[in-house]
Amino acid sequence: ETGVTQTPRHLVMGMTNKKSLKCEQHLGHNAMYWYKQSAKKPLELMFVYNFKEQTENNSVPSRFSPECPNSSHLFLHLHTLQPEDSALYLCASSPGHSGANVLTFGAGSRLTVL
Amino acid sequence: AQKVTQAQTEISVVEKEDVTLDCVYETRDTTYYLFWYKQPPSGELVFLIRRNSFDEQNEISGRYSWNFQKSTSSFNFTITASQVVDSAVYFCALSEVDSGNTPLVFGKGTRLSVIA
Repeated sequence: ETGVTQTPRHLVMGMTNKKSLKCEQHLGHNAMYWYKQSAKKPLELMFVYNFKEQTENNSVPSRFSPECPNSSHLFLHLHTLQPEDSALYLCASSPGHSGANVLTFGAGSRLTVL
Repeated sequence: AQKVTQAQTEISVVEKEDVTLDCVYETRDTTYYLFWYKQPPSGELVFLIRRNSFDEQNEISGRYSWNFQKSTSSFNFTITASQVVDSAVYFCALSEVDSGNTPLVFGKGTRLSVIA
């Protein structure tokens, strides 16, 4: 596989459930990102990892917990979410964490919280 | 603080018309990068162009062209002879370098519908 792959593509969960979103990149990149895309809101940066180290946490509630075991994989663990957390969660990667770098995005995981 | 404004929420055009998508940005940095991404219905953002703050030359790529004007802090995107496959949401984005290589900040996007 090539590019950035996100699984699952669709997820429905109750507020008391615990689930995880997975992102995998086959581009040899060293930086990975989670963005949240809600209806009528701009894409919001959630987390940035550079060489497996978290470099940005954009005031994200603790019910979202990221994990980056290596430069190719990024997870977003979800627990006790709220209905307003329903959104498209986009993963991206780039060669490094530089303003010049082009981000390559996955197709997203659409989350619905009931 | 940085900000990207895409004032046009939705645009509809008839196939073969030209259309311009506006993008205005705010930054105090002198070194920064501007981007355009396309998001088709499949959801994946596709990179279209990157421009650094020192390169104001306009760029043309096939039916796509970009007009970067620092004097007005704008980076507008024009599609010539639009096609149905151009229907998507288009995002303008900014990344600052002087402020420490900030991650991309996106505008709210413009939804373009091209009608056959």
